[in-house]
Amino acid sequence: EVQLVESGGGLVQPGGSLRLSCAASGFTFSSYDMNWVRQAPGKGLEWVSYISSSNYTIYYADSVRGRFTISRDNARNSLYLQMNSLRAEDTAVYYCAREFGTTWGQGTLVTVSS
Amino acid sequence: QAVLTQPSSLSASPGASASLTCTLRSGINVATYRIYWFQQKPGSPPQFLLRYKSDSDKQQGSGVPSRFSGSKDASANAGILLISGLQSEDEADYYCMIWQSSASSYVFGTGTKVTVL
Repeated sequence: EVQLVESGGGLVQPGGSLRLSCAASGFTFSSYDMNWVRQAPGKGLEWVSYISSSNYTIYYADSVRGRFTISRDNARNSLYLQMNSLRAEDTAVYYCAREFGTTWGQGTLVTVSS
Repeated sequence: QAVLTQPSSLSASPGASASLTCTLRSGINVATYRIYWFQQKPGSPPQFLLRYKSDSDKQQGSGVPSRFSGSKDASANAGILLISGLQSEDEADYYCMIWQSSASSYVFGTGTKVTVL
C-alpha cells in the first residue's frame, strides 16, 4: 500500500524553526517527484515546495522562499521541510504529496503563536 | 485577480449532474494546461480525482468512478469537472490546480464547496 506519513508539527513561537518529515512506503520513493502543500485553518490549499526525484530541481512558493528548505533522502525514503523564521501566517496543516498529488499524507499541524 | 477562480459553492440534487468550473486568469490560455482536480472531505487530505488537458491527454485517479470526468470550455477559458449522478458522498470541497511553468509553481484554485441537497 502506498503510504505517506508526516511528522514534526507542533506549536512554535514566531521566528522559530521546525523540521517536518514525511516517511514514504509502498512505492519506489526515489523514482518520484515530491511536493509539500499546506492548508491554513478553514482555508484552501496552497502549494509550498517541489523537489525532483533526483534532488536536482527544487522550487518554492514566493511566500516561503528564503525561509523554507525542502530536501529528501532517497536511501531513507524520506522527504523533509526545514522551516525557519516562522510567522503566524505559516500556521497550517502541512501535507506531503507524491508527484502532482496522486497520493497525500494525512498532514501535520504547524501552529505559530506566542 | 486569482490565477484560478472557482465558484465558492454549488448545490444540486441527488442523481443530478454538477459542472464545476475553474476559470483561468486572462492571459493564461486554458488550452495549454493540464487541469488537475482534487476532492477534499472534512478532516481528510485531498484526493486526486483526475487530470485533463485534452481527450488524448487525460488521467483518471486510481479507483475514481467514471462519473467524474474532465473537459474544457475554451470560450470561457475554463477547465470543467463534471460529476454525473450526484451522490451524498460527493459532498466535499473540490480544488483545481495547474502547473504554471512561467512561475515554476503549482497553483490551486479557490475551491468549490459542493452540497448535495
